Amino acid sequence: NAGVTQTPKFRILKIGQSMTLQCTQDMNHNYMYWYRQDPGMGLKLIYYSVGAGITDKGEVPNGYNVSRSTTEDFPLRLELAAPSQTSVYFCASSYRGGNRGRGDTQYFGPGTRLTVL
Amino acid sequence: AQTVTQSQPEMSVQEAETVTLSCTYDTSESDYYLFWYKQPPSRQMILVIRQEAYKQQNATENRFSVNFQKAAKSFSLKISDSQLGDAAMYFCAYRGDSNYQLIWGAGTKLIIKP
Repeated sequence: NAGVTQTPKFRILKIGQSMTLQCTQDMNHNYMYWYRQDPGMGLKLIYYSVGAGITDKGEVPNGYNVSRSTTEDFPLRLELAAPSQTSVYFCASSYRGGNRGRGDTQYFGPGTRLTVL
Repeated sequence: AQTVTQSQPEMSVQEAETVTLSCTYDTSESDYYLFWYKQPPSRQMILVIRQEAYKQQNATENRFSVNFQKAAKSFSLKISDSQLGDAAMYFCAYRGDSNYQLIWGAGTKLIIKP
């Protein structure tokens, strides 16, 4: 299993450009998440999905969009990039099921370092 | 709202010795989960250990163990026989039973002295 994979690893955008960060997991996890990590900070949740076709906002969703057409893929779209979106972006996935299944563990991809100039 | 606090921005320890990283949290929930993640320079976020609040027994994973004090809302990580490969940022994270997201502390940078 590759686990959670993300592409690209690095990207530099100009202000106003758009791009899509790709995320794929091969663990048949039902839940997927996008986080951003600013320097010297912990992670903050941008969006999450509880299954194909279902997404919802996290703590910091402004300036981003997501879709989930399959169990495996959860792309994050940045529209009209701004310098405030310079960050490291992590995709994660987890499985929830069963009586105590809510205690899922989230597994992370390697991250994408994005710079907006 | 739940919060997670790691009061030690940086810790250093001699190789082969033991170090304890501190984490406190604030919540009104009775059922929740706590995690320690390790982030080496590669940036990969790696799960070190997890603890379910309903379990009284402290979790252990090889050289890593936790001291979970539910009443004090404290969740410290003990690393025994420290190795050079343990050098990394360590993040404490909380997830409430009624929530989807992980709430993260600011991290502690662990330096291992050879």
